[in-house]
Amino acid sequence: EDKVVQSPLSLVVHEGDTVTLNCSYEVTNFRSLLWYKQEKKAPTFLFMLTSSGIEKKSGRLSSILDKKELFSILNITATQTGDSAIYLCAPHNYGQNFVFGPGTRLSVLP
Amino acid sequence: DTEVTQTPKHLVMGMTNKKSLKCEQHMGHRAMYWYKQKAKKPPELMFVYSYEKLSINESVPSRFSPECPNSSLLNLHLHALQPEDSALYLCASSQEPDPSRPQHFGDGTRLSIL
Repeated sequence: EDKVVQSPLSLVVHEGDTVTLNCSYEVTNFRSLLWYKQEKKAPTFLFMLTSSGIEKKSGRLSSILDKKELFSILNITATQTGDSAIYLCAPHNYGQNFVFGPGTRLSVLP
Repeated sequence: DTEVTQTPKHLVMGMTNKKSLKCEQHMGHRAMYWYKQKAKKPPELMFVYSYEKLSINESVPSRFSPECPNSSLLNLHLHALQPEDSALYLCASSQEPDPSRPQHFGDGTRLSIL
């Protein structure tokens, strides 16, 4: 059975801090891993990772995948209060089924 | 505002009522999804439509009945729901009928069953 673990489950930091969110997975026939940010309502897409070792960047956010060790990290530098959200990772296989990880709830205090 | 529009935003219904949730996207996406999300939990996939055909039903009870009238619309018909069905129902779409590709989510319908 596919398994996804995210850590930490909850994190409180102050503006300007750098955070690292972790996602480890056990997925048969792995294809890609997606990161989403969910504030109050709709999850919004952040990154799609398919290859090991290639960092994806978008502003202060970056993410990387390690297919050998079966994990991904999401980094946020110089955090802002607007980064407060739940960050979800979702590893996918070549089938149609997938699960989201439990999410990391990030709170950034002013 | 998102490019996937869900109505209504909130819905309160009794266990004997029949209601429908609606989802619309005009991005030309060929796959649409329904998710259920309980408080402090991640979204759980319920149904996937690819090219207007149901391709995945994740063992969802028959009191939830999806319908895809055309490539832009997705409905979820509700009948005889239980209190534990109270949740946020999210609709999403993706350009290709492939869940491993990025999905665009609507803001959801918050459903309360009395």
